[in-house]
Amino acid sequence: DAGVTQSPTHLIKTRGQQVTLRCSPKSGHDTVSWYQQALGQGPQFIFQYYEEEERQRGNFPDRFSGHQFPNYSSELNVNALLLGDSALYLCASSLVRADNEQFFGPGTRLTVL
Amino acid sequence: GEDVEQSLFLSVREGDSSVINCTYTDSSSTYLYWYKQEPGAGLQLLTYIFSNMDMKQDQRLTVLLNKKDKHLSLRIADTQTGDSAIYFCAEILSGAGSYQLTFGKGTKLSVIP
Repeated sequence: DAGVTQSPTHLIKTRGQQVTLRCSPKSGHDTVSWYQQALGQGPQFIFQYYEEEERQRGNFPDRFSGHQFPNYSSELNVNALLLGDSALYLCASSLVRADNEQFFGPGTRLTVL
Repeated sequence: GEDVEQSLFLSVREGDSSVINCTYTDSSSTYLYWYKQEPGAGLQLLTYIFSNMDMKQDQRLTVLLNKKDKHLSLRIADTQTGDSAIYFCAEILSGAGSYQLTFGKGTKLSVIP
C-alpha cells in the first residue's frame, strides 16, 4: 500500500519563475491538503482539495494555486516566486471523516535564488 | 493566544521518559494530534485524541489532555535514540467546514545515549 508520494524531491528556481509541485495521495484517500514549512517552523496550511474543488484556503496569496485531478492526485502551483517562498512543501492526504487523520508525504524542498 | 505553543528543546537520557508539552488555542478543537518529523523527512502521525477524552495510551505513547487549561502533553516511555526528532502538536480548529491543521513550531527531542 503506497503512502503519499511527492515529486520532485528537490527544486531550485530563481525569483520571478513559476513552479509546479505534484502529489499522489495514499491509496483510497480522496482529499489532499498542502502545507508550507519554512526552516525551523511548523507547517502552515495553504489549501485543501476535495472533489476537484478548493474546499478551504489558508492565509496565502493568489500566487499559490492548485488543482485536483479525477484520480485524486494534486498539483500546487506558485507564480512569481519570491525568496521567501523557499521552504519544504508538504502534501497530506485524508478521507472525509470526523477525525480528519492526515498522512503526509516526504515533501518537496524548494529553493528560490 | 493565537498560536499553538511548544517549548523548543528537550533533552533526555536513553531509557528515561520524555514529556513534551503543548498549549493550543481553541477550546472547542475537536481533535488534537501529535506528529514526528525526522531530519529531511515528512511528518509521521503518531497519535491523536478526541476532545472528549482525558487520556489515550498507545504502546510507549501516552497523551494527556486538559481542556480547561488547553494543555496537551505527549509522554514517551523508555525513550530510545530512535525517538530523536522534532515533535509537533496540531489542532483542528472548530467550526463548520474547518479542515486545516494548525501546528506549533515543534519540540526538538534529543536522546542522550
